[in-house]
Amino acid sequence: DGGITQSPKYLFRKEGQNVTLSCEQNLNHDAMYWYRQDPGQGLRLIYYSQIVNDFQKGDIAEGYSVSREKKESFPLTVTSAQKNPTAFYLCASSGQVNSYNEQFFGPGTRLTVL
Amino acid sequence: KNQVEQSPQSLIILEGKNCTLQCNYTVSPFSNLRWYKQDTGRGPVSLTIMTFSENTKSNGRYTATLDADTKQSSLHITASQLSDSASYICVVPINTGTASKLTFGTGTRLQVTL
Repeated sequence: DGGITQSPKYLFRKEGQNVTLSCEQNLNHDAMYWYRQDPGQGLRLIYYSQIVNDFQKGDIAEGYSVSREKKESFPLTVTSAQKNPTAFYLCASSGQVNSYNEQFFGPGTRLTVL
Repeated sequence: KNQVEQSPQSLIILEGKNCTLQCNYTVSPFSNLRWYKQDTGRGPVSLTIMTFSENTKSNGRYTATLDADTKQSSLHITASQLSDSASYICVVPINTGTASKLTFGTGTRLQVTL
């Protein structure tokens, strides 16, 4: 888990509610990422950010939003527009966004929509 | 299409035995390949990163091999322990101009039993 923290570990939400997942890192990394993990599937990229105040959509950004106001923080909001939000969400960070920089993952947040 | 395929999907072995996990990839251009270990309900942790010029790399009881010609990699676990029970994920980055995205395999779920 290194210097990346995610909270909460478990989160329950009613349909129609927005919910925000927290991700903080103290590794002084420039790049941060959000992934979604579903059973039997590989991790899929939701959003990533290379620097403060900048972020790009990943492969499955619909129904999600992010902000990057501070280098250490990259919160993810799961909106009511996300049709199937129940999943395990992983945040990661790396020194730079290039292929040789290892990504370090947080412990994850399991979101369940009731 | 850039893909990473892993086999077997799951594996059960007795403690103390060896095992080998396979990864085939079609990512191009290729720069490196990573193996991660993910305990249930936790974030992935890097075991090894291999560049195209490396054929084998060890990390304790874990040995990864890479054949860039056939686009195959394997992860060999020697003298397995109960703590090796986890999912093992093969990951290959895709360079997309100034950014890099990771392509994740679906993982091999290993269970080590007494």
